[in-house]
Amino acid sequence: DAKTTQPPSMDCAEGRAANLPCNHSTISGNEYVYWYRQIHSQGPQYIIHGLKNNETNEMASLIITEDRKSSTLILPHATLRDTAVYYCIVRVANNAGNMLTFGGGTRLMVKP
Amino acid sequence: GAVVSQHPSWVICKSGTSVKIECRSLDFQATTMFWYRQFPKQSLMLMATSNEGSKATYEQGVEKDKFLINHASLTLSTLTVTSAHPEDSSFYICSAIGTSGGNKQFFGPGTRLTVL
Repeated sequence: DAKTTQPPSMDCAEGRAANLPCNHSTISGNEYVYWYRQIHSQGPQYIIHGLKNNETNEMASLIITEDRKSSTLILPHATLRDTAVYYCIVRVANNAGNMLTFGGGTRLMVKP
Repeated sequence: GAVVSQHPSWVICKSGTSVKIECRSLDFQATTMFWYRQFPKQSLMLMATSNEGSKATYEQGVEKDKFLINHASLTLSTLTVTSAHPEDSSFYICSAIGTSGGNKQFFGPGTRLTVL
């Protein structure tokens, strides 16, 4: 699986949009971009994933650049409960045996 | 969404004893389950991959005789830490992939093991 690079930490004001970047310049054509987050002392939670088109769900939006070498996770109105470590992972989606390889992630601190 | 549970949520044991951690997929059948370990302020590290009815595949550096994995059914996998020592103290997390849902992994809430 391709390696990803994320900033180690970010701050965001409560109520503002949180934009979390991820670089995955070596991504292959059949690899998807997945985002998970881990709130302190809990298991990771799935947020969103995409291949090349932008995606949106009830939690977040995922913007993938046209060359697919980077992406941005957007939390439109961050709340204090969004404070967590956010992991960007690239993985082949149609292979159930492929595990997720976690990097360092971005520690997002939402401040009042 | 799919729910994965773990039991116990935390456990404290004496050095030299064995501890079993259960991972269950509550509302779906899990073809594959993964076990991760996470030390404080570090990321998750994959320990092993288990498929129902077959032997687990361990990552390099993980002792298969120390971390016994049994995936006896499509909804249950167990991790037994044998002869636990203080350095085994960690946060153990399982995840499961079902037969539907785009092969998304769903994670359990984790089990915090403290070995005295």
